[in-house]
Amino acid sequence: DTEVTQTPKHLVMGMTNKKSLKCEQHMGHRAMYWYKQKAKKPPELMFVYSYEKLSINESVPSRFSPECPNSSLLNLHLHALQPEDSALYLCASSRDPGTVVTDTQYFGPGTRLTVL
Amino acid sequence: AQSVTQLGSHVSVSEGALVLLRCNYSSSVPPYLFWYVQYPNQGLQLLLKYTSAATLVKGINGFEAEFKKSETSFHLTKPSAHMSDAAEYFCAVRSFSNAGGTSYGKLTFGQGTILTVHP
Repeated sequence: DTEVTQTPKHLVMGMTNKKSLKCEQHMGHRAMYWYKQKAKKPPELMFVYSYEKLSINESVPSRFSPECPNSSLLNLHLHALQPEDSALYLCASSRDPGTVVTDTQYFGPGTRLTVL
Repeated sequence: AQSVTQLGSHVSVSEGALVLLRCNYSSSVPPYLFWYVQYPNQGLQLLLKYTSAATLVKGINGFEAEFKKSETSFHLTKPSAHMSDAAEYFCAVRSFSNAGGTSYGKLTFGQGTILTVHP
């Protein structure tokens, strides 16, 4: 089973709202990732969690706040977003974040976010 | 820095025809390469990966890719296209980075190729 689940599937929010995206995997993977994908573009890495600790923040604005409550769950908290933040947000997981270069990332279906 | 370039943002084939999607890589070390497929309004699904074990890699849905070091290429092929193959395809290279004492693997994607299959 290589399933990564994400909720909600779609989200519409105003610029003053606070919302959260959720990602879950039960494959025993110890690395989890958030990507942002704009229309007709490849995914861009935002955050990497390794063993429930934030390892990498790819210079993401503070209005995006990740959280990893446990090894199976990854959240992305959103606050005061801008319309240009509208995109598909993808979660991925992999078995081991750094010791195996060939470690494969498995992606969830994504959350389509629209900021009004 | 490692990177991949996908030649052709759009490829159109007839059903039953050969599918060829091109990917060239740039890397100073042996690369670890992946092909992902993305159907409309969905996430990315792994098609296949090259990990240096064999130069010809077979993936799901009848796709395969051949690693050619001399040409720095990792092109994706399928002998006979099916309507269900219509999607966007991403080539990616995994690099190994170290930041703040933490090591992690980073996927760098090509710009993607949209495959259209005509009846």
